[in-house]
Amino acid sequence: DVKVTQSSRYLVKRTGEKVFLECVQDMDHENMFWYRQDPGLGLRLIYFSYDVKMKEKGDIPEGYSVSREKKERFSLILESASTNQTSMYLCASSSTTPYEQYFGPGTRLTVT
Amino acid sequence: LAKTTQPISMDSYEGQEVNITCSHNNIATNDYITWYQQFPSQGPRFIIQGYKTKVTNEVASLFIPADRKSSTLSLPRVSLSDTAVYYCLVGSNQAGTALIFGKGTTLSVSS
Repeated sequence: DVKVTQSSRYLVKRTGEKVFLECVQDMDHENMFWYRQDPGLGLRLIYFSYDVKMKEKGDIPEGYSVSREKKERFSLILESASTNQTSMYLCASSSTTPYEQYFGPGTRLTVT
Repeated sequence: LAKTTQPISMDSYEGQEVNITCSHNNIATNDYITWYQQFPSQGPRFIIQGYKTKVTNEVASLFIPADRKSSTLSLPRVSLSDTAVYYCLVGSNQAGTALIFGKGTTLSVSS
């Protein structure tokens, strides 16, 4: 069965902290994605990667960076967390046809 | 990427057929139409994808007219568990393409 896991379901961090969100998929998928979801705004793409060590900016990359050193793992990094980064973060992966994406359970991050 | 427009919300009763329409006037020749479903506190789940005419699977049907400027997701005989947000997405199926999610349609099913 397809599986995308995220390191935490809930996370509370302080303003200015460096935050790492980890995502792992076990499907040998080429593409991996990071989204954030906020009430009234739907899902917004932060970054995606279509190969190891490759990354592309999505709609809202400011304040975030990503790392993909291995095919199965895609990390989202908040260099200096701010309160406006409080959100639900969703990771997804897909094979070479990107439209059938598999999502993880999400990480609800609160920055205080 | 083609912009999509769909209703913000819809209400239905158990056992009814629900049709959610999505407009995508600027769809490109190589774009596909894909629908996702999202339950509260979960990530979205792929439902169905199509290019033209009609596609049916065990969950839903997708109707796409000849001009492809709109599409309709049809859910037969909905139940309470179909209460969710439904997203319509349009874009190329080429490798390296990212999805653009809109705000979706919140479907509420009552008994």
